[in-house]
Amino acid sequence: DTGVSQNPRHKITKRGQNVTFRCDPISEHNRLYWYRQTLGQGPEFLTYFQNEAQLEKSRLLSDRFSAERPKGSFSTLEIQRTEQGDSAMYLCASSLTGNVHGQFFGPGTRLTVL
Amino acid sequence: DAKTTQPNSMESNEEEPVHLPCNHSTISGTDYIHWYRQLPSQGPEYVIHGLTSNVNNRMASLAIAEDRKSSTLILHRATLRDAAVYYCILEGAGGTSYGKLTFGQGTILTVHP
Repeated sequence: DTGVSQNPRHKITKRGQNVTFRCDPISEHNRLYWYRQTLGQGPEFLTYFQNEAQLEKSRLLSDRFSAERPKGSFSTLEIQRTEQGDSAMYLCASSLTGNVHGQFFGPGTRLTVL
Repeated sequence: DAKTTQPNSMESNEEEPVHLPCNHSTISGTDYIHWYRQLPSQGPEYVIHGLTSNVNNRMASLAIAEDRKSSTLILHRATLRDAAVYYCILEGAGGTSYGKLTFGQGTILTVHP
């Protein structure tokens, strides 16, 4: 247990539905990251926050994806109108600025779009 | 983002040392070298990182070439629990992208009993 929690752990949805995932980082960490990982590939960066500010979004992140981190604590990642290609593991990580102790990853949320 | 090259897979026997290589010939002077590993069905786990000098921690050692164009992660005595995918990642310093990790394919390490 790294101290980063994600909910739900698994989500099965039908194409076209909206889904929302939650990440609770380590409390003193000011940076929070979202990654996506498909089978056999390394994690792919999606977006990250420093406190409540979203500082960068990947060009691969379509308009159907939105992330928030109100009050600089937990974060949510919403996918609207899901597509089968969205099926993946969604990973959250947190760190202190400077990554001096590395990023701490949560267990991920496995999304399956039918 | 600067790229890294790692072997697709490596094998080791339990209790033997393992040297995992990584080439990063386009590294810039301010890029940090990070290593993470991912055990089956888990999120990635930080292993070690360095800039210029060799680094040691309780998990592993990181040997960085003098020209910084390559590095080697050293597991001093492999155990079955070290079987994982190992990722070598360059992290740029400065700017808003500081801290973003770009994972490659990694090296799948198999440890034999």
